[in-house]
Formats: sequence, structure tokens, C-alpha cells
Amino acid sequence: GAVVSQHPSWVICKSGTSVKIECRSLDFQATTMFWYRQFPKQSLMLMATSNEGSKATYEQGVEKDKFLINHASLTLSTLTVTSAHPEDSSFYICSASVGDRGYNEQFFGPGTRLTVL
Amino acid sequence: GQNIDQPTEMTATEGAIVQINCTYQTSGFNGLFWYQQHAGEAPTFLSYNVLDGLEEKGRFSSFLSRSKGYSYLLLKELQMKDSASYLCAVLDSNYQLIWGAGTKLIIKP
Repeated sequence: GAVVSQHPSWVICKSGTSVKIECRSLDFQATTMFWYRQFPKQSLMLMATSNEGSKATYEQGVEKDKFLINHASLTLSTLTVTSAHPEDSSFYICSASVGDRGYNEQFFGPGTRLTVL
Repeated sequence: GQNIDQPTEMTATEGAIVQINCTYQTSGFNGLFWYQQHAGEAPTFLSYNVLDGLEEKGRFSSFLSRSKGYSYLLLKELQMKDSASYLCAVLDSNYQLIWGAGTKLIIKP
């Protein structure tokens, strides 16, 4: 159990376009979903925390108008990178947890590798 | 500020034992996680410690000392597939995960 999927696994797009990444909890309902970004040889960087039905909480330095997060249901959260630029190329990983504080084990999706040309 | 330190890289021999240390300074503490991450893949959960002591799970064990702000991950009978990055993460008082930069473990035959 506790499987989290992401789609797409990888995407290549042109500069200026928008890209949507989906994160789904397949066999459980996730009260909280997290979006991370990871650059090569660096650790995970939390971008935002989202709870179903409410606005996402963004980390300092993350532009909420550029990285749109929608957590429409307990099993689906989406991250849209708007007007992507080459510096947005990265590995984007979502995770999901259950529990009212989100402190239970986080189950990670397989990640989405974004390359912006 | 909040800080988690772990070595950048370690090398060990197949079949041997390796200990990866993690020290932390965070605003509050609600547990410490160890994750394994193979290159190009998402992290996978290894262990969670919230009380002092050693937790053993197969070839992997994790130790915590809250008074010292210190944890280690012990890997026994190393296999080539254990080559990966090992991430230490602490849950702070706001239940937010603070991530270390990870330790890249290289296993040699």
C-alpha cells in the first residue's frame, strides 16, 4: 500500500510554455501533499505544502504565481510550472502523508524530470 | 537557524559495515527520518526515530540521541545495490521536515 504516482515521468518543453505535473495517492487518501525540487547533487528543497481544499503554503523564495498548486481532492495534487525557463529545469518530486499534522511517514512519488529548452 | 549536517560522501567495501552520521540543530524535534535515494529516483523511507536508542531493521539500523542532536544510520553486510545517497531529515516543532544535503555512499567490490 501507500503508493504515490506522478505524471509525467519526464517532460521536455520550450521556454515560455507551461507544464503541469500530477501527483496521485493511489491507495490512500492524503490529507497533505508536498512538492519538492531537487537540483543535481543537491538535497530536496521543499517548495510548498498543500492540504486538500485549501491554498498551498509556499516556502520562502518560491513564487506562488509561477508554481501553481491545486489540491482538488484527497488523492490528487497538481503543480503547474508557468512560463517555464531553463533555470526551472529540475527534478520535481511530490510526497503524500496522512494524519492531521502531516508528520507521518511521507510517501514519495517517483519524480518528474523537467527539462526546459 | 536550522541545520542538519552529514558527510558529503563515503566509500565502503562490499560486505563491510558503514556508519553514516547526522547531527542536527532544529527548532524543536518531533522525530528523525532516514531515506535512501538512488540516482534519478525519489527517496524511499528507511527509518524513523523519535526516542533515544537503536532501531534495527534487517541490515539497516538507526540510532538517535536527542540530548546530543545526533543520529547515525548503520548498514551491515553492504551490497552493491546499497550505493545511493542517504538523506537525514528532522521533523521540527512545526512538523516540517528539514532535510540534510545527503551522504553519497559508494560501494566498491
